[in-house]
Amino acid sequence: TQLLEQSPQFLSIQEGENLTVYCNSSSVFSSLQWYRQEPGEGPVLLVTVVTGGEVKKLKRLTFQFGDARKDSSLHITAAQPGDTGLYLCAGPEPGGYQKVTFGTGTKLQVIP
Amino acid sequence: DVKVTQSSRYLVKRTGEKVFLECVQDMDHENMFWYRQDPGLGLRLIYFSYDVKMKEKGDIPEGYSVSREKKERFSLILESASTNQTSMYLCASSADVINQPQHFGDGTRLSIL
Repeated sequence: TQLLEQSPQFLSIQEGENLTVYCNSSSVFSSLQWYRQEPGEGPVLLVTVVTGGEVKKLKRLTFQFGDARKDSSLHITAAQPGDTGLYLCAGPEPGGYQKVTFGTGTKLQVIP
Repeated sequence: DVKVTQSSRYLVKRTGEKVFLECVQDMDHENMFWYRQDPGLGLRLIYFSYDVKMKEKGDIPEGYSVSREKKERFSLILESASTNQTSMYLCASSADVINQPQHFGDGTRLSIL
Protein backbone atom coordinates (compact mmCIF):
# COMPACT_ATOMS: atom_id res chain seq x y z
CA THR A 1 0.00 0.00 0.00
CA GLN A 2 1.38 3.35 -1.09
CA LEU A 3 1.09 6.02 1.62
CA LEU A 4 1.77 8.86 -0.81
CA GLU A 5 0.04 8.81 -4.20
CA GLN A 6 1.25 11.19 -6.86
CA SER A 7 -0.62 12.29 -9.96
CA PRO A 8 -0.30 12.42 -12.80
CA GLN A 9 2.27 9.69 -13.26
CA PHE A 10 3.50 11.21 -16.54
CA LEU A 11 3.20 14.69 -17.98
CA SER A 12 4.49 15.97 -21.30
CA ILE A 13 3.97 19.66 -22.01
CA GLN A 14 5.26 22.42 -24.24
CA GLU A 15 7.68 25.05 -22.99
CA GLY A 16 5.82 28.01 -21.50
CA GLU A 17 2.80 26.04 -20.25
CA ASN A 18 1.74 25.88 -16.62
CA LEU A 19 1.24 22.64 -14.73
CA THR A 20 0.30 21.25 -11.34
CA VAL A 21 1.28 17.92 -9.84
CA TYR A 22 -0.29 16.42 -6.76
CA CYS A 23 0.76 14.36 -3.77
CA ASN A 24 -2.11 12.83 -1.78
CA SER A 25 -2.50 10.65 1.26
CA SER A 26 -5.25 9.42 3.56
CA SER A 27 -2.84 9.95 6.47
CA VAL A 28 -1.70 13.12 8.18
CA PHE A 29 1.94 14.00 7.70
CA SER A 30 3.96 16.21 10.04
CA SER A 31 5.81 17.59 7.01
CA LEU A 32 6.30 16.88 3.33
CA GLN A 33 9.34 17.30 1.15
CA TRP A 34 9.56 17.70 -2.61
CA TYR A 35 12.55 16.39 -4.53
CA ARG A 36 13.47 16.61 -8.21
CA GLN A 37 15.49 13.90 -9.88
CA GLU A 38 17.08 14.72 -13.20
CA PRO A 39 18.01 11.91 -15.62
CA GLY A 40 21.17 10.11 -14.49
CA GLU A 41 21.26 11.77 -11.08
CA GLY A 42 19.92 11.24 -7.58
CA PRO A 43 16.96 13.20 -6.16
CA VAL A 44 17.68 16.69 -4.87
CA LEU A 45 15.57 18.42 -2.24
CA LEU A 46 13.53 21.39 -3.50
CA VAL A 47 11.51 22.36 -0.45
CA THR A 48 10.04 21.19 2.86
CA VAL A 49 6.54 22.26 3.92
CA VAL A 50 5.63 21.95 7.57
CA THR A 51 2.52 23.96 8.44
CA GLY A 52 -0.97 23.16 7.15
CA GLY A 53 -1.92 25.68 4.46
CA GLU A 54 1.69 26.75 3.98
CA VAL A 55 2.72 28.08 0.58
CA LYS A 56 6.36 28.28 -0.47
CA LYS A 57 7.76 29.71 -3.68
CA LEU A 58 10.99 28.81 -5.40
CA LYS A 59 11.27 31.03 -8.49
CA ARG A 60 8.62 29.62 -10.87
CA LEU A 61 7.70 26.74 -8.54
CA THR A 62 4.95 27.11 -5.94
CA PHE A 63 4.45 24.46 -3.28
CA GLN A 64 1.38 24.18 -1.09
CA PHE A 65 0.70 21.96 1.91
CA GLY A 66 -2.96 21.13 2.45
CA ASP A 67 -4.77 22.53 5.46
CA ALA A 68 -5.25 19.06 6.89
CA ARG A 69 -1.64 18.09 6.08
CA LYS A 70 -2.77 15.12 3.98
CA ASP A 71 -1.83 16.49 0.60
CA SER A 72 0.49 18.83 -1.23
CA SER A 73 0.76 20.34 -4.68
CA LEU A 74 3.52 21.69 -6.86
CA HIS A 75 2.64 24.30 -9.48
CA ILE A 76 5.13 25.30 -12.16
CA THR A 77 4.56 28.50 -14.08
CA ALA A 78 5.90 28.87 -17.62
CA ALA A 79 7.68 25.52 -17.65
CA GLN A 80 11.14 25.33 -19.19
CA PRO A 81 13.09 22.33 -20.55
CA GLY A 82 15.30 22.54 -17.46
CA ASP A 83 12.26 21.57 -15.36
CA THR A 84 12.28 18.12 -16.96
CA GLY A 85 12.70 15.37 -14.41
CA LEU A 86 11.01 13.14 -11.88
CA TYR A 87 9.25 14.97 -9.05
CA LEU A 88 8.95 13.05 -5.80
CA CYS A 89 7.12 13.92 -2.64
CA ALA A 90 8.23 12.37 0.65
CA GLY A 91 7.43 12.57 4.32
CA PRO A 92 8.04 10.98 7.71
CA GLU A 93 5.95 7.85 7.85
CA PRO A 94 2.93 8.44 10.13
CA GLY A 95 2.66 6.38 13.26
CA GLY A 96 5.99 7.24 14.81
CA TYR A 97 8.07 5.06 12.53
CA GLN A 98 11.56 6.41 12.14
CA LYS A 99 11.67 6.46 8.38
CA VAL A 100 10.66 8.50 5.38
CA THR A 101 8.23 7.28 2.76
CA PHE A 102 8.40 8.41 -0.86
CA GLY A 103 5.64 8.83 -3.40
CA THR A 104 5.75 7.07 -6.76
CA GLY A 105 6.68 10.25 -8.57
CA THR A 106 5.54 12.38 -11.50
CA LYS A 107 7.72 12.22 -14.58
CA LEU A 108 7.68 15.62 -16.32
CA GLN A 109 8.92 16.28 -19.82
CA VAL A 110 9.01 19.86 -21.07
CA ILE A 111 9.36 20.04 -24.84
CA PRO A 112 11.19 23.07 -26.28
CA ASP B 1 27.89 20.83 -0.01
CA VAL B 2 27.15 17.28 1.00
CA LYS B 3 28.61 14.76 -1.34
CA VAL B 4 27.40 11.19 -1.49
CA THR B 5 29.48 9.05 -3.80
CA GLN B 6 28.46 5.66 -5.12
CA SER B 7 31.33 3.54 -6.37
CA SER B 8 29.82 2.51 -9.72
CA ARG B 9 27.34 4.15 -12.10
CA TYR B 10 26.74 0.93 -14.02
CA LEU B 11 27.32 -2.67 -13.00
CA VAL B 12 26.60 -5.96 -14.76
CA LYS B 13 26.75 -9.19 -12.78
CA ARG B 14 25.63 -12.77 -13.20
CA THR B 15 22.96 -14.68 -11.33
CA GLY B 16 24.32 -16.19 -8.12
CA GLU B 17 27.24 -13.79 -7.76
CA LYS B 18 27.84 -11.88 -4.53
CA VAL B 19 27.58 -8.18 -5.33
CA PHE B 20 28.88 -5.24 -3.31
CA LEU B 21 27.60 -1.69 -3.79
CA GLU B 22 29.61 0.95 -1.97
CA CYS B 23 28.56 4.40 -0.78
CA VAL B 24 30.61 7.12 0.91
CA GLN B 25 29.43 10.45 2.35
CA ASP B 26 31.59 13.36 3.42
CA MET B 27 29.33 15.27 5.83
CA ASP B 28 29.71 13.21 8.99
CA HIS B 29 26.02 12.22 8.84
CA GLU B 30 24.83 9.66 11.35
CA ASN B 31 22.18 8.20 9.06
CA MET B 32 22.62 6.40 5.78
CA PHE B 33 20.09 4.65 3.55
CA TRP B 34 19.88 2.25 0.64
CA TYR B 35 16.92 2.40 -1.75
CA ARG B 36 16.02 0.71 -4.96
CA GLN B 37 14.11 2.61 -7.62
CA ASP B 38 11.89 0.86 -10.13
CA PRO B 39 9.47 2.44 -12.63
CA GLY B 40 6.03 2.92 -11.14
CA LEU B 41 7.16 1.84 -7.67
CA GLY B 42 9.08 4.91 -6.56
CA LEU B 43 11.87 4.61 -4.02
CA ARG B 44 11.68 1.62 -1.71
CA LEU B 45 13.84 1.46 1.39
CA ILE B 46 16.03 -1.63 1.65
CA TYR B 47 18.05 -0.91 4.80
CA PHE B 48 19.16 2.06 6.79
CA SER B 49 21.77 2.71 9.45
CA TYR B 50 21.67 5.30 12.21
CA ASP B 51 25.16 4.66 13.58
CA VAL B 52 28.29 2.68 12.95
CA LYS B 53 27.62 -1.06 13.09
CA MET B 54 23.89 -0.39 13.52
CA LYS B 55 21.33 -1.32 10.89
CA GLU B 56 17.59 -1.48 10.51
CA LYS B 57 15.52 -3.31 7.91
CA GLY B 58 13.49 -1.21 5.56
CA ASP B 59 10.51 -2.30 3.49
CA ILE B 60 12.25 -4.79 1.20
CA PRO B 61 15.32 -6.27 2.94
CA GLU B 62 14.98 -9.82 1.59
CA GLY B 63 18.00 -10.90 -0.44
CA TYR B 64 20.14 -7.99 0.80
CA SER B 65 22.45 -7.26 3.69
CA VAL B 66 24.43 -4.17 4.68
CA SER B 67 27.63 -3.24 6.41
CA ARG B 68 28.59 -0.03 8.21
CA GLU B 69 32.07 -0.41 9.67
CA LYS B 70 32.90 3.30 9.39
CA LYS B 71 30.63 6.31 9.73
CA GLU B 72 31.21 7.56 6.22
CA ARG B 73 30.75 4.25 4.41
CA PHE B 74 27.62 2.14 3.94
CA SER B 75 27.75 -0.98 1.80
CA LEU B 76 24.88 -2.92 0.28
CA ILE B 77 25.46 -6.61 -0.35
CA LEU B 78 23.47 -8.88 -2.61
CA GLU B 79 24.31 -12.28 -1.16
CA SER B 80 23.35 -14.26 -4.27
CA ALA B 81 22.21 -11.98 -7.05
CA SER B 82 19.01 -12.78 -8.89
CA THR B 83 17.48 -11.27 -12.01
CA ASN B 84 14.69 -9.60 -10.01
CA GLN B 85 17.34 -7.50 -8.30
CA THR B 86 18.07 -5.71 -11.56
CA SER B 87 17.31 -2.11 -10.65
CA MET B 88 18.61 1.39 -9.91
CA TYR B 89 20.13 1.55 -6.42
CA LEU B 90 20.34 4.86 -4.60
CA CYS B 91 22.32 5.64 -1.47
CA ALA B 92 21.48 8.62 0.75
CA SER B 93 22.63 10.22 3.97
CA SER B 94 21.04 12.69 6.38
CA ALA B 95 21.68 14.43 9.67
CA ASP B 96 18.37 13.13 11.05
CA VAL B 97 16.32 10.09 10.05
CA ILE B 98 13.07 11.94 9.45
CA ASN B 99 13.43 15.67 10.06
CA GLN B 100 16.30 16.55 7.77
CA PRO B 101 16.55 16.18 4.00
CA GLN B 102 18.26 13.19 2.49
CA HIS B 103 21.25 13.74 0.23
CA PHE B 104 21.48 11.20 -2.54
CA GLY B 105 24.23 9.77 -4.66
CA ASP B 106 23.81 9.54 -8.42
CA GLY B 107 22.80 5.89 -8.27
CA THR B 108 24.12 2.56 -9.50
CA ARG B 109 22.27 0.91 -12.34
CA LEU B 110 22.70 -2.80 -11.66
CA SER B 111 21.88 -5.47 -14.21
CA ILE B 112 21.82 -9.13 -13.22
CA LEU B 113 22.07 -11.48 -16.18
